[in-house]
Amino acid sequence: KNEVEQSPQNLTAQEGEFITINCSYSVGISALHWLQQHPGGGIVSLFMLSSGKKKHGRLIATINIQEKHSSLHITASHPRDSAVYICAAITGNQFYFGTGTSLTVIP
Amino acid sequence: EAGVAQSPRYKIIEKRQSVAFWCNPISGHATLYWYQQILGQGPKLLIQFQNNGVVDDSQLPKDRFSAERLKGVDSTLKIQPAKLEDSAVYLCASSFEGDEAFFGPGTRLTVL
Repeated sequence: KNEVEQSPQNLTAQEGEFITINCSYSVGISALHWLQQHPGGGIVSLFMLSSGKKKHGRLIATINIQEKHSSLHITASHPRDSAVYICAAITGNQFYFGTGTSLTVIP
Repeated sequence: EAGVAQSPRYKIIEKRQSVAFWCNPISGHATLYWYQQILGQGPKLLIQFQNNGVVDDSQLPKDRFSAERLKGVDSTLKIQPAKLEDSAVYLCASSFEGDEAFFGPGTRLTVL
């Protein structure tokens, strides 16, 4: 069993839809990382959070420490949001990665 | 601020050949990670350095993979000899004391 589970694995949405990607983890964490990976492999950090909620533009990340669960929301989705979204649980200096959610936003 | 640099970006080799990847982390970042990401999977940690010391190499196939970070700055990852199943993207990341990680663009390795 993976320390970090993501759902769904694949997601197709129409442009403008509200999108939610979920992440559950089983390890004790100091923080949780949401990452975006575009075709070609480059990974960009979206959020690092240890409690509550963070917002950046159309992206919102929330975390519930008691339930060991985090969500990434995308409002008014756009085709350029198409990417793989990965959550990573951070314990000390170690990162545990989920397998990613592949998002395709159709115009 | 310059990001994490990696080279080469792409490499194609035949099985049983050797290959080396290079990573230059963000200046001042003591922690450096090498990850292997096979298509369709999340990144898997190969080795983690704190300055020039190894923190975790439990998932590094030591019979064929080696890595070093001699001066606590840039790092090289070597595969010798390569196998077909080593085809993957090799990602380098760095962080400041376990804080947010910054990833390089990755090296896409194809083993034929």
